[in-house]
Amino acid sequence: NAGVMQNPRHLVRRRGQEARLRCSPMKGHSHVYWYRQLPEEGLKFMVYLQKENIIDESGMPKERFSAEFPKEGPSILRIQQVVRGDSAAYFCASSPPDDYNEQFFGPGTRLTVL
Amino acid sequence: QKEVEQNSGPLSVPEGAIASLNCTYSDRGSQSFFWYRQYSGKSPELIMSIYSNGDKEDGRFTAQLNKASQYVSLLIRDSQPSDSATYLCAVNWLNTGNQFYFGTGTSLTVIP
Repeated sequence: NAGVMQNPRHLVRRRGQEARLRCSPMKGHSHVYWYRQLPEEGLKFMVYLQKENIIDESGMPKERFSAEFPKEGPSILRIQQVVRGDSAAYFCASSPPDDYNEQFFGPGTRLTVL
Repeated sequence: QKEVEQNSGPLSVPEGAIASLNCTYSDRGSQSFFWYRQYSGKSPELIMSIYSNGDKEDGRFTAQLNKASQYVSLLIRDSQPSDSATYLCAVNWLNTGNQFYFGTGTSLTVIP
């Protein structure tokens, strides 16, 4: 039973480029959450999605960041025009539809902006 | 403002001792509490969840919740060097949906 999958594991971008981070939830899980972990800081919630719906995006920066979870395929976190302050580890978690308290994390994508 | 506070440590204990990790939170009405373990450069791994006051034991781990005092703790008995990691406390508040609020973590080192 595969766990939460994220790719790429490491991503390097120059300032102004776009970053696309992908997350495939665990089998049977229909809820996806994105968190960001800045160096020496705790995990911060960004967005919660179900298939084709954004349920809660209260933690998303107002500009340059967007997320989607299409009917087919992985969830994608997109960061446009990246800046150095976007350098962080981005973790995706998933939960089953009947127990959102059971959030299991993927290995993360470590984004470095040069 | 919902906040989760942890002592960043580092906390050092000798092998075989009990490690005690504490977490306080800012707002009553909280619902669910979680402890995650995170090794350096890795993703958080769920260790324990606790929903009601009292103790919950799972192997060498015991979570303790006191809602009146707004704290949750994690005890690790018979600590092993492999327990050396950062331990994250997470809280889910009833009126914030599925969002978890994390503390900054406590770094634990178990000395052989």
